[in-house]
Amino acid sequence: GQNIDQPTEMTATEGAIVQINCTYQTSGFNGLFWYQQHAGEAPTFLSYNVLDGLEEKGRFSSFLSRSKGYSYLLLKELQMKDSASYLCADNYGGATNKLIFGTGTLLAVQP
Amino acid sequence: DSGVTQTPKHLITATGQRVTLRCSPRSGDLSVYWYQQSLDQGLQFLIQYYNGEERAKGNILERFSAQQFPDLHSELNLSSLELGDSALYFCASSATREETQYFGPGTRLLVL
Repeated sequence: GQNIDQPTEMTATEGAIVQINCTYQTSGFNGLFWYQQHAGEAPTFLSYNVLDGLEEKGRFSSFLSRSKGYSYLLLKELQMKDSASYLCADNYGGATNKLIFGTGTLLAVQP
Repeated sequence: DSGVTQTPKHLITATGQRVTLRCSPRSGDLSVYWYQQSLDQGLQFLIQYYNGEERAKGNILERFSAQQFPDLHSELNLSSLELGDSALYFCASSATREETQYFGPGTRLLVL
């Protein structure tokens, strides 16, 4: 199976830090993507983790533990424009590069 | 702007009809992917093409078909449309030997 679990909704305050978790089944796993999607718009690429550890990109960081089937996206210094859905996606495709998406976490940033 | 283009942006049609959605990948990308996103479900992978050949199939209904042309643009054909086909349809593309997929702006389909 390729079940991906992430919280449905989260709320955080402007300027704060928020961590969005994602768990997945490890069988056949190749890599883990995070995308941001504003309502009605296209998903935009945030990060791709293949190896264990933390990767930092400005205010956004992503962590992966392959053995635990676990990833998180860390957003620092939250801004109102960070209010969006954050989609976790597993690359199970091998040569096909097929992505299996979670249902997304809707983050609301409040003043 | 991802560089992936999709037309039309919006489409309103009736049940039983047939529509064609069009996608142009980023310059140089050989792989094209189609996804469906409805309100009650996340992004669902439909089908992938690589350089004109079908590479992978996901949860694509038999009423739906796709192809990729020699100029690498792709079309998704949806026929015998039902109310439940109303959704956002996204196209994405990726470069050879790169896993990251870049999404187009989507086509919003409303079946009445």
